[in-house]
Amino acid sequence: DAGVIQSPRHEVTEMGQEVTLRCKPISGHNSLFWYRQTMMRGLELLIYFNNNVPIDDSGMPEDRFSAKMPNASFSTLKIQPSEPRDSAVYFCASSRGGSSYNEQFFGPGTRLTVL
Amino acid sequence: AQKVTQAQTEISVVEKEDVTLDCVYETRDTTYYLFWYKQPPSGELVFLIRRNSFDEQNEISGRYSWNFQKSTSSFNFTITASQVVDSAVYFCALSEGTGGYNKLIFGAGTRLAVHP
Repeated sequence: DAGVIQSPRHEVTEMGQEVTLRCKPISGHNSLFWYRQTMMRGLELLIYFNNNVPIDDSGMPEDRFSAKMPNASFSTLKIQPSEPRDSAVYFCASSRGGSSYNEQFFGPGTRLTVL
Repeated sequence: AQKVTQAQTEISVVEKEDVTLDCVYETRDTTYYLFWYKQPPSGELVFLIRRNSFDEQNEISGRYSWNFQKSTSSFNFTITASQVVDSAVYFCALSEGTGGYNKLIFGAGTRLAVHP
């Protein structure tokens, strides 16, 4: 079975540009998570979706960040406008359910560099 | 408040040595779950194990073993006869039963370097 798929794997953009990261969760998983990983802050949860509905977006840093999940097999994380401090690795993860015992499976990540 | 502490920032060993990665957690919940993930140099996070708070039995999977002790709030991970392929960053994580969903609280990670 395919794991979580993310695209692009690498993105280099200039400050002020719009960036869109994409994620396809594992088929049959109804929970989806977006994380950001930096050296300074480690792994941070940005947003959690359950059955395509955003449940917890308290980790979204600013209004420049937005996430959508139009259907069970696709989600996007958008940064507009991007800033150099947004440079990080962004992970998407999915799980079969949203109960506390459900393990999350992570995608390969998107390494974002904002110049 | 919930918290996961991995006090070892980096560990360096020579191949075939045994190595233990420490994980200490804090939670007020009586029901919770602990996880270990591996992040190899390629970057992806790989799920290794889940343990619930009611099961203190140690677990062994090949060269990997996990020791869960509620009395010390620890969930340590031991690699026996380490290999170069074990070089990675290892994360311990906590999910609380009252968290509403499987929100993971991650430790800062321990970078393990296994040298030939």
